[in-house]
Amino acid sequence: TQLLEQSPQFLSIQEGENLTVYCNSSSVFSSLQWYRQEPGEGPVLLVTVVTGGEVKKLKRLTFQFGDARKDSSLHITAAQPGDTGLYLCAGEGRRDDKIIFGKGTRLHILP
Amino acid sequence: GAGVSQSPSNKVTEKGKDVELRCDPISGHTALYWYRQSLGQGLEFLIYFQGNSAPDKSGLPSDRFSAERTGGSVSTLTIQRTQQEDSAVYLCASSQGGTGYGYTFGSGTRLTVV
Repeated sequence: TQLLEQSPQFLSIQEGENLTVYCNSSSVFSSLQWYRQEPGEGPVLLVTVVTGGEVKKLKRLTFQFGDARKDSSLHITAAQPGDTGLYLCAGEGRRDDKIIFGKGTRLHILP
Repeated sequence: GAGVSQSPSNKVTEKGKDVELRCDPISGHTALYWYRQSLGQGLEFLIYFQGNSAPDKSGLPSDRFSAERTGGSVSTLTIQRTQQEDSAVYLCASSQGGTGYGYTFGSGTRLTVV
């Protein structure tokens, strides 16, 4: 059974600080995705990483896929209150398009 | 449509009743997924439709749950004889299919069984 472990589960920091969220597994994935979910809404795709070692930037967010395609990180620089939400990583299996989700990191940025 | 549409957005039902949840995916998306999200939890996979292939039902928690997808488009998730533990947000997503394509989610149906 493929599992994705996210850490930390909860993070509350001051506006302007930097933070990193981790997503780890013992399984290899074809791709790994990061989503952000706000209350009452479905998750919204932020990025997909496909190649081992790949780094993608989305404004103040930097996503990295591990060389072995088993783990990923999300780094936020100078966090803003608008970054508050539930961040979910999701891995796509190698044999099908089914994606499994981690339990998420609940991020709260204090103004 | 422009996005994934789910209905109803909220449903309160009595224990033992049947419910139907509807999902209208993005036009042209061949893959459709149902997930369940309980309070404070991640997303639990339920079922996956890809084109004309047999659906992957491996995530359905019991035989009270079933889903169908008509004409490769709209999908209905049916829960028979609802139980209180079925209370959750049911999320539908669609995708172009293939490696590397992310999902587009609907806003979900919040099901409360009383």
